[in-house]
Amino acid sequence: EAQVTQNPRYLITVTGKKLTVTCSQNMNHEYMSWYRQDPGLGLRQIYYSMNVEVTDKGDVPEGYKVSRKEKRNFPLILESPSPNQTSLYFCASSLSSRTSGDLNTDTQYFGPGTRLTVL
Amino acid sequence: DAKTTQPNSMESNEEEPVHLPCNHSTISGTDYIHWYRQLPSQGPEYVIHGLTSNVNNRMASLAIAEDRKSSTLILHRATLRDAAVYYCILPGTSYDKVIFGPGTSLSVIP
Repeated sequence: EAQVTQNPRYLITVTGKKLTVTCSQNMNHEYMSWYRQDPGLGLRQIYYSMNVEVTDKGDVPEGYKVSRKEKRNFPLILESPSPNQTSLYFCASSLSSRTSGDLNTDTQYFGPGTRLTVL
Repeated sequence: DAKTTQPNSMESNEEEPVHLPCNHSTISGTDYIHWYRQLPSQGPEYVIHGLTSNVNNRMASLAIAEDRKSSTLILHRATLRDAAVYYCILPGTSYDKVIFGPGTSLSVIP
């Protein structure tokens, strides 16, 4: 089954304790992205990756790191989490970062989300 | 990417049609209009997209104004399972910095 998986789904941690949220897709997609979702603010993009070893900042990258060593994986790293990073996080992937009007190319697939609480 | 404006919330009775509006007055000529929805406790999922002509698929229809400054997602018969947040987005030529606004929260009344 084609899917995007995230782990863990729920995480409670304390300020300053490094953590990694994993994201994996099995669709051979080039493009992957991380979003955070907060009440009233919709989805805001944190980082994205157009292909292996190619990453770039989204709208809210402060306090986050990413890496793309393999096509299927795109982990989100919080080196020193703070309470303002308490949020719901989604990973997404699509065949290409370029949209063309083609359904196969343009559709983004989202993971189930990771709810992070930083105390 | 161009910005979109949607009502914060809408309500519909079950089995009735629902028209979810989206304004995108700064849309460029090559911007496709995409709709996603997010069911409770799930990640967003693709619904439909189009450029100029009206589009239909098994989930919904998309009606695009002639000047393309607005569009309407149409759910022909709302069910309780359609209760979700609906997002209208304009990725432009890439998803590099796509903007998902707060969307429209649709409630379906039995």
